[in-house]
Amino acid sequence: DAGVTQSPTHLIKTRGQQVTLRCSPISGHKSVSWYQQVLGQGPQFIFQYYEKEERGRGNFPDRFSARQFPNYSSELNVNALLLGDSALYLCASSLEDRVVTDTQYFGPGTRLTVL
Amino acid sequence: AQSVTQLDSHVSVSEGTPVLLRCNYSSSYSPSLFWYVQHPNKGLQLLLKYTSAATLVKGINGFEAEFKKSETSFHLTKPSAHMSDAAEYFCVVRDTGRRALTFGSGTRLQVQP
Repeated sequence: DAGVTQSPTHLIKTRGQQVTLRCSPISGHKSVSWYQQVLGQGPQFIFQYYEKEERGRGNFPDRFSARQFPNYSSELNVNALLLGDSALYLCASSLEDRVVTDTQYFGPGTRLTVL
Repeated sequence: AQSVTQLDSHVSVSEGTPVLLRCNYSSSYSPSLFWYVQHPNKGLQLLLKYTSAATLVKGINGFEAEFKKSETSFHLTKPSAHMSDAAEYFCVVRDTGRRALTFGSGTRLQVQP
């Protein structure tokens, strides 16, 4: 079975631009979460979507937004890019919403570089 | 509030010797705890998870971890390191009812030949 897939793999943007990252969850998974991993740090939670609704949001500015589509794939949008947005963006999918034992499976990530 | 402290940023061992990666957590409720591994330029892979069943949890590739509530610890161990174990390891906590995973800052494991 295919795992979580993300596109693109790498992306280079300049300050002030906008970017869209895409994620396809494991088949049958209805929950998608997004994390930002800055070099040398652990991932930080950005959003979680379940059944196309936002269910959780981390401590990120409004420049970050996301949505989930009827096929459960998801997009993360970042507007007005800053140098500090350079990071690996990870998507994770899981079966459920708030089941604490549910495992989140991660994709390979999108490496965003802002110049 | 949930948080995780990984006590060592770097650990270096020789191939064939035991591995110990230390993790302490803080949680308001009964948490689930996870260890993930990240190899260079790859995504995160789940090694094992604790979900309030047995306190000694066995994972993939010979790794195991023991949940100790009295010490709020969840240390990761392996009896004999292999070169392929060299990677970044993350201890992760998730509180009951919380949606987000909270990651530690990571421990980089080096395995010397």
